[in-house]
Amino acid sequence: DVVMTQSPDSLAVSLGERATINCKSSQSVLYSSNNKYYLAWYQQKAGQPPKLLIYWASTRASGVPDRFSGSGSGTDFTLTISSLQAEDVAVYYCQQYRFMHRTFGQGTKVEIK
Amino acid sequence: QVQLQESGPGLVKPSETLSLSCSVSGASITSDYWSWVRQPPGKGLEWIGYAHYRGVTNYNPSLMSRITISLDTSKSQFSLKLTSVTAADTAVYFCARERDYCRGDSCSFDFDYWGHGTLVTVSS
Repeated sequence: DVVMTQSPDSLAVSLGERATINCKSSQSVLYSSNNKYYLAWYQQKAGQPPKLLIYWASTRASGVPDRFSGSGSGTDFTLTISSLQAEDVAVYYCQQYRFMHRTFGQGTKVEIK
Repeated sequence: QVQLQESGPGLVKPSETLSLSCSVSGASITSDYWSWVRQPPGKGLEWIGYAHYRGVTNYNPSLMSRITISLDTSKSQFSLKLTSVTAADTAVYFCARERDYCRGDSCSFDFDYWGHGTLVTVSS
């Protein structure tokens, strides 16, 4: 199975500052037929289910604020929160859907410094 | 608005079968992939598997021998059965829709709607 490895496991960022989360896949998640990376990012706040933020590695889901952005290529991907807000405190997960057996990263906890 | 709601026992004895249902409203379960994801207390997300109306199922290899996911279109529900449970199966179980979203020649299969989750504890 494809292993998704996130870094760091946790980070503390001041309000209004940038938060960057990395995700590395053990195999390329590029679907060559359409040149799309089959990778999603989710936000999970305490006591809640995950919420889809990003799909195709860089496309924001409906209603997601534009301070959230996804980028990357090959096997390395990044979720960036450009200006951290208090409501962004959560655990963030990457997930690949390129391969038959879906896999998630271990999660990155984002806190306020 | 699509809504999913899990139901089932919160306590299961070791070696018995865990059975959960997910009721779906606002969407038809004759399209997309209907999935289960679990989260042990304080840990990350683990994909369990999905079922599709056309009879396709896809399971996590680590759980495959113990899992059945099925759809009941008459009730707009889908279910999870996990046999021979142990304490390691204690987790919050989420049902979710893995959407089959296509735009032009590109499709995405992310999880766009989730239930709130239900805690299942395996203990005697």
